[in-house]
Formats: sequence, C-alpha cells, structure tokens
Amino acid sequence: DAGITQSPRYKITETGRQVTLMCHQTWSHSYMFWYRQDLGHGLRLIYYSAAADITDKGEVPDGYVVSRSKTENFPLTLESATRSQTSVYFCASSGTGLNEQFFGPGTRLTVL
Amino acid sequence: DQQVKQNSPSLSVQEGRISILNCDYTNSMFDYFLWYKKYPAEGPTFLISISSIKDKNEDGRFTVFLNKSAKHLSLHIVPSQPGDSAVYFCAAKYNNNDMRFGAGTRLTVKP
Repeated sequence: DAGITQSPRYKITETGRQVTLMCHQTWSHSYMFWYRQDLGHGLRLIYYSAAADITDKGEVPDGYVVSRSKTENFPLTLESATRSQTSVYFCASSGTGLNEQFFGPGTRLTVL
Repeated sequence: DQQVKQNSPSLSVQEGRISILNCDYTNSMFDYFLWYKKYPAEGPTFLISISSIKDKNEDGRFTVFLNKSAKHLSLHIVPSQPGDSAVYFCAAKYNNNDMRFGAGTRLTVKP
C-alpha cells in the first residue's frame, strides 16, 4: 500500500535493551523525520534525514541512532533503552519543496 | 525552551458554533506555520498552513490567521462539527524542515 508505515505499532522492552523502530515510505520523499510525542510537550524532533546517507540531529537526539541507506527506509534505534524513552514515536516524510510533512501511525514504546 | 506554545490544553464547543484555537511563538525566524489534526491511535494529518508573508489563509471551514507583530496565530473552524473533535497541533518551521510543535489543544465539539 502507498503511504508511510511504521513497525511495530506497539513494543514493550526492558531497560538496557536495544530496540529498533522501523519506518517505510512509498512516495520517494527526500526528507524523513523521527518525532516523539510526550504529554505536555507535543511532538519533538529526534533526527531527520534530507536524503539517503544524510542525517542530522533534531531537538532531542540523545540516546538515539538513525541510518538511511535507502530512500524509503529510516530506522530509529535506541541502543540502550531507558524508562525516559517511553513515548509514542512518529515517523514522517516530506518531499523537496513541500512544507507539510506526512506522518505514519506511530509506535507506542514502553520501557520497563 | 518551547518555541511554540498552545496555552489551552482543551476546548469545548457546541456543534455549529465557532472554534478558535490559539498558538503563540517566540522565534521570529519562523517563516511558515502549520496546523495538524490528530485522532487517537493515528498520526497527525496536515490541515492548513500559512506563510509568514500572509496574514490569513482560508480553506473551507478552516481559516488560519497570523499576527506577526504579536507572534500569534489562530485557527478558526466555522461551523464546528462533531467530527472535528481531535487534538490540534500548531507547528512552525524555518531553515528547511526543522519544525517545532506546540503541546496541542484537545477540541471537543458537542452535538
């Protein structure tokens, strides 16, 4: 199906474990983004990518790693999960010249 | 330091009346402003936007107003419908795609 998908939709893990959240888009958009949504904070940008092999830090990058070997995929890895990383994570994409971003359905991550 | 603020966490309006959602920002470098709508268990969806060179943009029942001197924007929904009940996020961007979001306002439209 066309669009932007995230997997898994729900994930429970333990402190110290590595977790990877996947994001896939079929529009061939240049830009991809990872946000986290927490109560009282809205959405905060973690990392973004302007193209394959180009990534940059956002507002809250600490504790996260990203890669973008293919245009359509933008995985987010928590190398050693902490309880403060319990959140809902949204992936988004945007084409060059577009101002709006298109969001995936989100992944709810719980770190015990 | 939250650069985009939505000071009302919630708003309740009667069906058919006007809904006004407010947003304030602190960074004068923002050059584009957007409103997103979010239903539970879904990602945000783009609703309407406005460039910093304009003061009003209208799309059907939705109008966004921008007051640059006050660093304030608002979203008007007229008439409000029960299906408009959702969380609304204000966002502002500058420097390519660095977008900052407010904390959101939950709108409830009562039949």
